[in-house]
Amino acid sequence: DIQMTQSPSSLSASVGDRVTITCRASQSISTYLNWYQQKPGKAPKFLIFAASSLQSGVPSRFSGSGSGTDFTLTISSLQPEDFATYYCQQSYSIPPAFGQGTKVEIK
Amino acid sequence: EVQLVESGGGLVQPGGSLRLSCVASGFTFSRHWMHWVRQAPGKGLVWVSRIKSDGSSTSYADSVKGRITISRDNAKNTLYLQMNSLRAEDTAVYYCAREEVYDDISGYHYTPFDYWGQGTLVTVSS
Repeated sequence: DIQMTQSPSSLSASVGDRVTITCRASQSISTYLNWYQQKPGKAPKFLIFAASSLQSGVPSRFSGSGSGTDFTLTISSLQPEDFATYYCQQSYSIPPAFGQGTKVEIK
Repeated sequence: EVQLVESGGGLVQPGGSLRLSCVASGFTFSRHWMHWVRQAPGKGLVWVSRIKSDGSSTSYADSVKGRITISRDNAKNTLYLQMNSLRAEDTAVYYCAREEVYDDISGYHYTPFDYWGQGTLVTVSS
């Protein structure tokens, strides 16, 4: 099975900051990498597929990059509504594993 | 508007059974693979199971294999998760999620989970 590892597990940032979250796969997954955002008590929200393609309606301050084993999610200018936990997920093979999550907190 | 509404969660004793349901609306349910994903309290997302659009193929996480059965009724737009021999470690919010297919210009198929239900809480405790 493919393992997904995110770093950091949590981070503190201020409104307007640029934030980068890293996701690493235990083997190459090409660009079969998705990103989700989850707020407390809510279901995950789909943000990005194919490593860098933004889902319709997702603000352009979100971007994704990477291929193979190393991927990043970047928020160019953090907004108050972006404080949440972010998960990467590989859809290259079954089981479609998630990373452990990165919690973005207010500094 | 796409909607997924789970139900059936609750408190159950270890070794007990529970059947979760997920009613879909706002899209052609029979065209989509569907998944169950769970989240233990304070923990991350863990994939549980998936079922093909016509119900002919299923897959399970090793941690639930042999104890959990996924099924669907396309006539009722409903996804199910039959959970048997429940353990304390099965305690979680269970989400149903729709798989969508995105094709790029090279012909690659990408399959993220584009819609999720609100979740239903299963608590396994004596």
